[in-house]
This record gives sequence, structure tokens and C-alpha cells, in this order.
Amino acid sequence: GQNIDQPTEMTATEGAIVQINCTYQTSGFNGLFWYQQHAGEAPTFLSYNVLDGLEEKGRFSSFLSRSKGYSYLLLKELQMKDSASYLCAVRDSSGQNFVFGPGTRLSVLP
Amino acid sequence: DTAVSQTPKYLVTQMGNDKSIKCEQNLGHDTMYWYKQDSKKFLKIMFSYNNKELIINETVPNRFSPKSPDKAHLNLHINSLELGDSAVYFCASSQDRYNSPLHFGNGTRLTVT
Repeated sequence: GQNIDQPTEMTATEGAIVQINCTYQTSGFNGLFWYQQHAGEAPTFLSYNVLDGLEEKGRFSSFLSRSKGYSYLLLKELQMKDSASYLCAVRDSSGQNFVFGPGTRLSVLP
Repeated sequence: DTAVSQTPKYLVTQMGNDKSIKCEQNLGHDTMYWYKQDSKKFLKIMFSYNNKELIINETVPNRFSPKSPDKAHLNLHINSLELGDSAVYFCASSQDRYNSPLHFGNGTRLTVT
């Protein structure tokens, strides 16, 4: 079966660092993707991991451990505009299906 | 310049009606998708087409019928709409490379009254 889990909600302060975790159990694995979705808008791509380790992209970094079925998204120097939902998605063994987690709603407070 | 465009953005209709949502992508991608996002914001795949061929057909009522006239277009027709069909429907596309992410359209908010 397919199961992806994320915390439902998180709160952090402007300027701080926050880590959003994602655990997965899927039928095959061809990469893990993180998306950001602001209220009323479409999800937009943030990062991709297929090998173990950390990928850094400016204020955002994403980590993957395939043996543990675990990833996290790290957001540094939080800004108010980072308030959004963050979705973890796994591309399965067929390569044709992206399975999404429930999303984590992040609120950044002043 | 829009990469994945879907119309309409909003759709309000009554139970029992039939409606269609259109999607087009100009990215040259091989695979197109329909996802449904419910009130709890959970994104669930409905259909996937690769070069006009149906690849994924999740457990979706027969009232939903996708059509792909060419690899740049994937439309969704819904018959006999029900209250539970109210959701946001996202079209998306991706390239056939494992590091290629999904590119989403802006979504169609369907409200069935």
C-alpha cells in the first residue's frame, strides 16, 4: 500500500528555522518531491531528492534517508510569506504516479 | 506563457448536471494528470495519461471520464454531478524523467449545490 505521513500543523516565528518531517511507505520509490501551496493557489515545486543526503536551495533544504523512509524540509530565516501548506510526494516505482502526503500547514508569526 | 492552463477557474452547478473541465499544457510533457483536492486539502490522483494513453485510473466513479485528444490536452467530463464532487480539481503534467516534478494548473473549484 501507499502511506505518507506529515504533521498536520506547525507554527514558527519570523526569522526562525523550521523542520517539516515526512515519512513514507510506498510501492517502490523514484524520488521524493516537496511542494509549497498557498491558500487558494496551486502547489509549486520546491525540491527533489532521490539519493540519500541533503539538497540545498537558498533558504530551503531537503533531506532524504531511503533506508528509513524519511525526509524533511528545512526552512531557514522564515518570512511571513512562507505561511503555506507544504506537501511531500513520492514518485512510485512506475514513475507515472505521484503519491501525496496530507500536507503540513505552516503558520509564521511575527 | 502559461505552462499548464485549465478552465474554468470556478464552476458552480446543480446536482445532476453534466460539466467539463479543460486542460492544456505547452511544456511538451508526455504525461498529464487529474488530481482532486478535497476540503481537507488532501491531493489524490484520479487519472494519468501518457501520450494520449490512459496509464492510471484510480477508484473513481464511472461518472468521471477523461479524454486526451493529443498529448497537450487532457479534459475531464463529469456526468450526473453529486454534492460529494465539490472539490478543487487540478490538472498537472510532467516529463518522463524521474527528476521531473509535476507542474500544476491553477485549479478548478467545483461547487455542486
